[in-house]
Amino acid sequence: DARVTQTPRHKVTEMGQEVTMRCQPILGHNTVFWYRQTMMQGLELLAYFRNRAPLDDSGMPKDRFSAEMPDATLATLKIQPSEPRDSAVYFCASGLTRTSVTGELFFGEGSRLTVL
Amino acid sequence: GQQLNQSPQSMFIQEGEDVSMNCTSSSIFNTWLWYKQDPGEGPVLLIALYKAGELTSNGRLTAQFGITRKDSFLNISASIPSDVGIYFCAGSSALIQGAQKLVFGQGTRLTINP
Repeated sequence: DARVTQTPRHKVTEMGQEVTMRCQPILGHNTVFWYRQTMMQGLELLAYFRNRAPLDDSGMPKDRFSAEMPDATLATLKIQPSEPRDSAVYFCASGLTRTSVTGELFFGEGSRLTVL
Repeated sequence: GQQLNQSPQSMFIQEGEDVSMNCTSSSIFNTWLWYKQDPGEGPVLLIALYKAGELTSNGRLTAQFGITRKDSFLNISASIPSDVGIYFCAGSSALIQGAQKLVFGQGTRLTINP
């Protein structure tokens, strides 16, 4: 059963600490998206990769957030230093270029981050 | 930036009732999608629409791409308990190097009384 895998599912940390969230896209998918979900803002696109290359990170706060794809099976989203306003559920989604063009993305279960 | 206005924000219905929700935008979209999110899970695609005026069904779900390309609706007929969740509309009007940048609505939370 192919699915997007995210770790950790839950993370509680203190302000100023570094947080790294990981995503394993569905095998064979060549696009990876990072979204953030909050009650106030809903689902916001943070960054997007195609064939491991970052193509759009305009939705990401550049000073503290960074996103990378060290290889085709791993995408990471790092926050350093973390702040309470970063508390949210972070979703990773993957797709194929063809389906990504049509918007058909497969989402992971999310990483719920709480920054105290 | 682009924004989607999704309504209603929440619905409380009886099992067996039909449900209708919609999304509007001030911008034209070339793709409309409807996702459902269960508690503790990520959104799952329900229906995708690619042409103005298109009407698509998926079981008890029916969605339409508005003629003006600025709106879409989703109907659920004969609701059942497993329909509970948050429904999101999503739209896109731009291609970014071969991939669509999706804008999501705020969601409609559906609660069903048995």
